[in-house]
Amino acid sequence: GAVVSQHPSWVICKSGTSVKIECRSLDFQATTMFWYRQFPKQSLMLMATSNEGSKATYEQGVEKDKFLINHASLTLSTLTVTSAHPEDSSFYICSARDAGTYYEQYFGPGTRLTVT
Amino acid sequence: QQPVQSPQAVILREGEDAVINCSSSKALYSVHWYRQKHGEAPVFLMILLKGGEQKGHDKISASFNEKKQQSSLYLTASQLSYSGTYFCGTEGVDSNYQLIWGAGTKLIIKP
Repeated sequence: GAVVSQHPSWVICKSGTSVKIECRSLDFQATTMFWYRQFPKQSLMLMATSNEGSKATYEQGVEKDKFLINHASLTLSTLTVTSAHPEDSSFYICSARDAGTYYEQYFGPGTRLTVT
Repeated sequence: QQPVQSPQAVILREGEDAVINCSSSKALYSVHWYRQKHGEAPVFLMILLKGGEQKGHDKISASFNEKKQQSSLYLTASQLSYSGTYFCGTEGVDSNYQLIWGAGTKLIIKP
């Protein structure tokens, strides 16, 4: 089946530093990737939609200068949290839409970010 | 607009059946069902497309009533492994592949 990986799984960083999270589709091409944020016991909150070769589309209320998204290839999208603060601590999950099947979204295992 | 899932949580004994509902106020193109276990990413269960269909595999099935903009997930003869939080994701007729997620239904299966 389709596999999406995320790196790193866990990251702890100091306030003010930047953190990059990678999302890779391992065995399929993903023209569209999505970045979500999830707080404990809550639903997935879509942050942005990332299309290969073009600028990401951010949801209302999400700061594009703080959460930088780059979708450099059909198998890789990155999310960089710039100047992280404790309120940015969360579970970040990416998903990728298989260009071949069109419909299904496959989720990565998630990245838990803790900002101290 | 976020679809409404019901119930919020349910506790069953192994072998019992459960129904989880997902209702939207917008016209839908598709409904996606996922299950998430604690600390893990959501796992795809199935997609139902516009046209009003039913799908199923093993003891998990779902229906999609396009006119009512509702979908239901049916779990029969539940197993311990079915425990988790179930999310429906809805795709509107004018969306860019984006899914809007319900708040989730927590399912606990007890032996």
